[in-house]
Amino acid sequence: DTGVSQNPRHKITKRGQNVTFRCDPISEHNRLYWYRQTLGQGPEFLTYFQNEAQLEKSRLLSDRFSAERPKGSFSTLEIQRTEQGDSAMYLCATRGPQRGKLSTDTQYFGPGTRLTVL
Amino acid sequence: QKEVEQDPGPLSVPEGAIVSLNCTYSNSAFQYFMWYRQYSRKGPELLMYTYSSGNKEDGRFTAQVDKSSKYISLFIRDSQPSDSATYLCAMSAPGSARQLTFGSGTQLTVLP
Repeated sequence: DTGVSQNPRHKITKRGQNVTFRCDPISEHNRLYWYRQTLGQGPEFLTYFQNEAQLEKSRLLSDRFSAERPKGSFSTLEIQRTEQGDSAMYLCATRGPQRGKLSTDTQYFGPGTRLTVL
Repeated sequence: QKEVEQDPGPLSVPEGAIVSLNCTYSNSAFQYFMWYRQYSRKGPELLMYTYSSGNKEDGRFTAQVDKSSKYISLFIRDSQPSDSATYLCAMSAPGSARQLTFGSGTQLTVLP
């Protein structure tokens, strides 16, 4: 357990519905990332927050996707009008100052939210 | 062509074998190199981290980075059935975000 938690772990929805995922980072980690992973592929970067500021967005993040990180703590990723192509594992990762064995240079992933769009 | 290419596998070895996993990359700006292990339907777990070129050893795991060849490797000695998982290489360039670019993963099975 890295200390990064994600909820829900699994979400099944019908096409056209909106869904929202939550990520709670390791405490003191001010950098937070969202990635998407489809079957048989590595994770792909979606967006990056430093504290509450969203500083980077991938071209994969269409206008149906929005992410927030109010107050620089937990983050939410919302997908509007879901499509079957949105079915994937959505992963949150965090990075922060050196603490114990946790390096400042590396990202630590949560367990992911698996989205299935019917 | 993808920025990071990884041997797709699947790879099946007997218990106790030495496993070699490899990735090549095209972006010369990459400076940070990582290996993650991912069990089915779980999040990636950090195994090894290396900055720039060189070798790093941690128990049964050795990571090697050759920036001149744009080639990284992970060696697993005395492989165990519990090592059966998908192994992902990942790398990033200096900067504020340092978002990771991953390979597609190699599925490893260690047979008892």
